[in-house]
Amino acid sequence: GEDVEQSLFLSVREGDSSVINCTYTDSSSTYLYWYKQEPGAGLQLLTYIFSNMDMKQDQRLTVLLNKKDKHLSLRIADTQTGDSAIYFCAESYGGATNKLIFGTGTLLAVQP
Amino acid sequence: KAGVTQTPRYLIKTRGQQVTLSCSPISGHRSVSWYQQTPGQGLQFLFEYFSETQRNKGNFPGRFSGRQFSNSRSEMNVSTLELGDSALYLCASSQGLIAGGRNEQFFGPGTRLTVL
Repeated sequence: GEDVEQSLFLSVREGDSSVINCTYTDSSSTYLYWYKQEPGAGLQLLTYIFSNMDMKQDQRLTVLLNKKDKHLSLRIADTQTGDSAIYFCAESYGGATNKLIFGTGTLLAVQP
Repeated sequence: KAGVTQTPRYLIKTRGQQVTLSCSPISGHRSVSWYQQTPGQGLQFLFEYFSETQRNKGNFPGRFSGRQFSNSRSEMNVSTLELGDSALYLCASSQGLIAGGRNEQFFGPGTRLTVL
């Protein structure tokens, strides 16, 4: 199947950490991505992780991958109001294609 | 370097009409993908072009078509519009096609299509 699931909504206070979770279904996915979408804008690539890695850190962002459970998470440290957006995880389809299967999206609301 | 450009940004059409959307990728990029984004279905893959050839197609009816020109610019066309075609249409540009899926894609701001 091609279902990638995310929780719909997350609310945090400014300065706290945010953790956004994603469950994917295709165990043959090679790369998993996190994208950010602000109102009225397209998608911005935040970070990605290769499927043979467990963790990747990129400044305030930490990606954790549990391949056995097909679970991906994005942790944002010291969350700011500018981080308020919809976050999508996506898995690559494999093969010679750029096709991505996107999750349902998580709306992150950061309270000042 | 200029980003991905999509025109028009907003469009209003009526049922039964047809529409053409345009995407200009980043200079030097040869691959363009299209996605439809709706509140109900989320982000769904429409098709992918590389070197003027359609390489992949999503699960959409034949009313949805596209093409890519020699300068890598791409257009998508929707004929006989239905109310359910109202969506944000996003185009993504990348350098090429790499096996295994590691290919950074840059998205345009999208075209918001409203069908009345």
